[in-house]
Amino acid sequence: DIQMTQSPSFLSASVGDRVTINCKASQNINKYLDWYQQKLGEAPKLLIYNTNSLHTAIPSRFSGSGSGTDFTLTISSLQPEDVATYFCFQHNSGWTFGGGTKLELK
Amino acid sequence: EVKLLESGGGLVQPGGSLRLSCAASGFTFTDFYMSWIRQPPGKAPEWLGVIRNKANGYTTEYNPSVKGRFTISRDNTQNILYLQMNTLRATDTAIYYCARRGYNLDYWGQGVMVTVSS
Repeated sequence: DIQMTQSPSFLSASVGDRVTINCKASQNINKYLDWYQQKLGEAPKLLIYNTNSLHTAIPSRFSGSGSGTDFTLTISSLQPEDVATYFCFQHNSGWTFGGGTKLELK
Repeated sequence: EVKLLESGGGLVQPGGSLRLSCAASGFTFTDFYMSWIRQPPGKAPEWLGVIRNKANGYTTEYNPSVKGRFTISRDNTQNILYLQMNTLRATDTAIYYCARRGYNLDYWGQGVMVTVSS
């Protein structure tokens, strides 16, 4: 089974900051990595699919990069509405979510 | 507008069974894979399984953690996705979500709570 390790688990940042969240796969998953945003009390929402493709209506301040085993979600300029928990999800071999990164405002 | 609405959750005793439903609307149901995901309170989501679309024969795949206990099916005449859960354990307590597609999960339901407790 492929394990997905996210870092950091918790992140505190200020409005306007550049924020990066990392996801490491236990083996090569090619480009098959999605990112989801979950706000408190809501279902997860797709942000980015297949490493770097922005889902419909997602602001361009969100971007994804990486390949193989190491992937990154970047928020170029943090906004208050970005406070949420972020999960990565691999679907190259089986399907596995990462443990999540909780993003708070400083 | 794509909508997914889960129902059927609740309190069940250990060893019991429950069937969840997910009513889909706003898209051609038979064209899409459909998935079930669960999320224990305060924890990360866990992918449970997928049922493929008509073009792929409505075949299924499951997470090994639930294979043999959980069954995914679909009623393509009424646009409903099902999750049959048997031999439930306390560790199955979670919010259960249905989602469109097998990956790139682009629409999710609001979720339904399942509590397994005596």
